[in-house]
Amino acid sequence: KNQVEQSPQSLIILEGKNCTLQCNYTVSPFSNLRWYKQDTGRGPVSLTIMTFSENTKSNGRYTATLDADTKQSSLHITASQLSDSASYICVVSAKSSASKIIFGSGTRLSIRP
Amino acid sequence: SQTIHQWPATLVQPVGSPLSLECTVEGTSNPNLYWYRQAAGRGLQLLFYSVGIGQISSEVPQNLSASRPQDRQFILSSKKLLLSDSGFYLCALAEALGYEQYFGPGTRLTVT
Repeated sequence: KNQVEQSPQSLIILEGKNCTLQCNYTVSPFSNLRWYKQDTGRGPVSLTIMTFSENTKSNGRYTATLDADTKQSSLHITASQLSDSASYICVVSAKSSASKIIFGSGTRLSIRP
Repeated sequence: SQTIHQWPATLVQPVGSPLSLECTVEGTSNPNLYWYRQAAGRGLQLLFYSVGIGQISSEVPQNLSASRPQDRQFILSSKKLLLSDSGFYLCALAEALGYEQYFGPGTRLTVT
C-alpha cells in the first residue's frame, strides 16, 4: 500500500533554533519527493523536489535529504524564524501515474519568540 | 509563470444545497488539473484529476463531481451537500505527469 508518514505530528521550537522533520514512504515505483510549506488557510507552496538520483537539495534555510534505499527523507530548517510557523507536507509521486501522488499528513511547526 | 484562481475564498452552505467551486489557471496550456480536499488537521485527499478537456478521473467515491469544460477551467460540483463535505478545497495544476504541482489559494467550505 502506498503510504507517506511524517513525524513528528507537531513541533514547537524557539526562534533561532534548528529542527529536522522526517518523512518515510512506501510509494512504488518512486518518481519524486517534494516538501511543501502550507501556511494556515493557504495553499501549499513547494520548497524542494527531489528525484531518485538526488540525495540533498537546499532552498535558503531549508535543506531536504533523500535516502531512496531506506525510503526516508528529512527537511532541516536552519536558524528558524517566526515566519517558518506552518505545516510542512511531504509528498511522494509514483511513476507514470497522474493520480499516484501521496500526501503525508504534515508536521505542524510552531516557532516561539 | 502559472497562476491559479479559485473562488469563492470562503463559503457557507446548508446541508442539501448545491455546490459549484471554480478553478481557472493562467500561464500554461493543457495542464493536468487536480481537486483536493483537506479536512481540519488532516492531509490532502485527492478527489479528481483531469489530463485534458472533458477527461475526469475520480479517486474516491463521493457525492461530488468534477468537470473540465475548457482547457484552463476545472469545476467541482455537488447536487446536495453533506455535513462531511466541509473542508478546505484546493485546486492544483501540473505541467505533465510527475511534474511539480502548484496549488491555488483554496476555498474554505462549511456545510451547516
